[in-house]
Amino acid sequence: KAGVTQTPRYLIKTRGQQVTLSCSPISGHRSVSWYQQTPGQGLQFLFEYFSETQRNKGNFPGRFSGRQFSNSRSEMNVSTLELGDSALYLCASSLAASPGGNTIYFGEGSWLTVV
Amino acid sequence: GDSVTQMEGPVTLSEEAFLTINCTYTATGYPSLFWYVQYPGEGLQLLLKATKADDKGSNKGFEATYRKETTSFHLEKGSVQVSDSAVYFCALSEANSGYALNFGKGTSLLVTP
Repeated sequence: KAGVTQTPRYLIKTRGQQVTLSCSPISGHRSVSWYQQTPGQGLQFLFEYFSETQRNKGNFPGRFSGRQFSNSRSEMNVSTLELGDSALYLCASSLAASPGGNTIYFGEGSWLTVV
Repeated sequence: GDSVTQMEGPVTLSEEAFLTINCTYTATGYPSLFWYVQYPGEGLQLLLKATKADDKGSNKGFEATYRKETTSFHLEKGSVQVSDSAVYFCALSEANSGYALNFGKGTSLLVTP
């Protein structure tokens, strides 16, 4: 069974540009969430989607957005990139419609460097 | 708000030593608790979880017991191996935060031969 797949794995962008990251969840999983990992702030929750609807959102500026497609695949977009957006972006998926206590499986992440 | 506090390390142990990584939490409701592990250059892997008080999660020789009275979820392993070298994250999720995972800062573990 394939795990959570994220693309691209590594990318370098320039300040002011925008970036789109993609995530394919485990087959059958309908919940997809995104996390940002930085050395300073650690792991922080960005947002979660279920059945194409944003169900939960973390405390990030509006430059960070996401969406989910009917096949459960998800994308996140960061516009007007800042140096501080350099991070590992992790996508995770889970099976159950009702959250809480569910096992969340993570992908290997997309490493974004903003120069 | 909810928070997770864990010893930051780095923790350096010799192979076959006993491991304890402390984790305490604050939560407004009744959280589920998790330990995730991150190997160098990789994403997070769920190591174990517990969903209610007094539950014990276990996997690959690691154990942690959900202690509501001390709001703790300490990770233990009786005999570590070099392959256990990684960063370990304690996390909680609960209804008040829409079940998003709230992570501690992570504890780096290095096991030497």
